[in-house]
Amino acid sequence: DAKTTQPTSMDCAEGRAANLPCNHSTISGNEYVYWYRQIHSQGPQYIIHGLKNNETNEMASLIITEDRKSSTLILPHATLRDTAVYYCIVKSAGGTSYGKLTFGQGTILTVHP
Amino acid sequence: GAVVSQHPSWVICKSGTSVKIECRSLDFQATTMFWYRQFPKQSLMLMATSNEGSKATYEQGVEKDKFLINHASLTLSTLTVTSAHPEDSSFYICSSKPVATNEKLFFGSGTQLSVL
Repeated sequence: DAKTTQPTSMDCAEGRAANLPCNHSTISGNEYVYWYRQIHSQGPQYIIHGLKNNETNEMASLIITEDRKSSTLILPHATLRDTAVYYCIVKSAGGTSYGKLTFGQGTILTVHP
Repeated sequence: GAVVSQHPSWVICKSGTSVKIECRSLDFQATTMFWYRQFPKQSLMLMATSNEGSKATYEQGVEKDKFLINHASLTLSTLTVTSAHPEDSSFYICSSKPVATNEKLFFGSGTQLSVL
């Protein structure tokens, strides 16, 4: 699975959009981009995933560049409860390895009042 | 969405004792569950894949005789840390997903193990 690079930490004001970048320059054609987050002392929570088209759900939007070498997770109106570690993970879909997620260090997002 | 329940949330035990952690899928059948471990200030690392009705598959460097996994039903997998030592103190997390759904995984709330 392709390696990802994320900033170590980011700050965001409550109510503003949080834009979390992720570089995955070695991504393969069949690999998806997944985003999970982990609030302190809890299990990770799925946010969103995509292949090449931009995706949006009730939690966030995912913008993937045309060359697929980077992506941005957007939390449109960050709240204090969005403070967490955000993980960008690239892996192929399907097969028996679907649960084998390689978590990097992620980005610590701190939302402040 | 699907719910994965993990119990206990935290446990403190003496060195040399065994600890069992349960992971249940509450509203779906989980033929496969995944066990992760997270040390303080580090990221999650996959330990093993638990398969219903068959032996678990362990990642490289994880001792199968120390971390016993049982997946006897479609809704329950257990991880037993045998002869626990202080270096086994960690946050243990299980995950799974309903069969034939998209690729998102559901995680339990985790178990904080402290070995004295």
